[in-house]
Amino acid sequence: DTGVSQNPRHKITKRGQNVTFRCDPISEHNRLYWYRQTLGQGPEFLTYFQNEAQLEKSRLLSDRFSAERPKGSFSTLEIQRTEQGDSAMYLCASRNGGPGNTIYFGEGSWLTVV
Amino acid sequence: EDQVTQSPEALRLQEGESSSLNCSYTVSGLRGLFWYRQDPGKGPEFLFTLYSAGEEKEKERLKATLTKKESFLHITAPKPEDSATYLCAVYNTDKLIFGTGTRLQVFP
Repeated sequence: DTGVSQNPRHKITKRGQNVTFRCDPISEHNRLYWYRQTLGQGPEFLTYFQNEAQLEKSRLLSDRFSAERPKGSFSTLEIQRTEQGDSAMYLCASRNGGPGNTIYFGEGSWLTVV
Repeated sequence: EDQVTQSPEALRLQEGESSSLNCSYTVSGLRGLFWYRQDPGKGPEFLFTLYSAGEEKEKERLKATLTKKESFLHITAPKPEDSATYLCAVYNTDKLIFGTGTRLQVFP
């Protein structure tokens, strides 16, 4: 069990550029979540997958954001035409689908838009 | 709408000075209340899950309790290494809803 892995850990990009983050969940975890966290706030839900199906998207997830989990394993979160307000830590988490299972988080990907 | 409120926002303790952190929640159907610890620049680290009123769980100097409206994280004789932000979250409709956290600083 290597834990939830996120890459890159840090990304600095210019406003208007596209960025992509990758998440590798814990092996055999069928549920994968994306959250966003800004300084002094708790994580905010963005979206989640069960296997390859995207089951829910928050209204926070504007049209510039897209997430995929093509084979039900790793996931990517792409932000198009980045804005300064997108600067945050993007967290990925995973769990097994049964009741009462713990949700484990990765170390996060920091995005700074300049 | 599901809501989680944590208090205080920040807490400064002397080493060995016990205290409690509060998490009050409003949720349509609680399927678990989670506590996480988060160090600066890192992802949340799982501590406890509580499922029903009256349940208690302990880990080292930490004890979490749950009622129908709130949860407490009791810290007994804290050490400087307990300094972190403690996050509370409710699990409902297949996702976690977080509070804003309590930032704990423990001084030697």
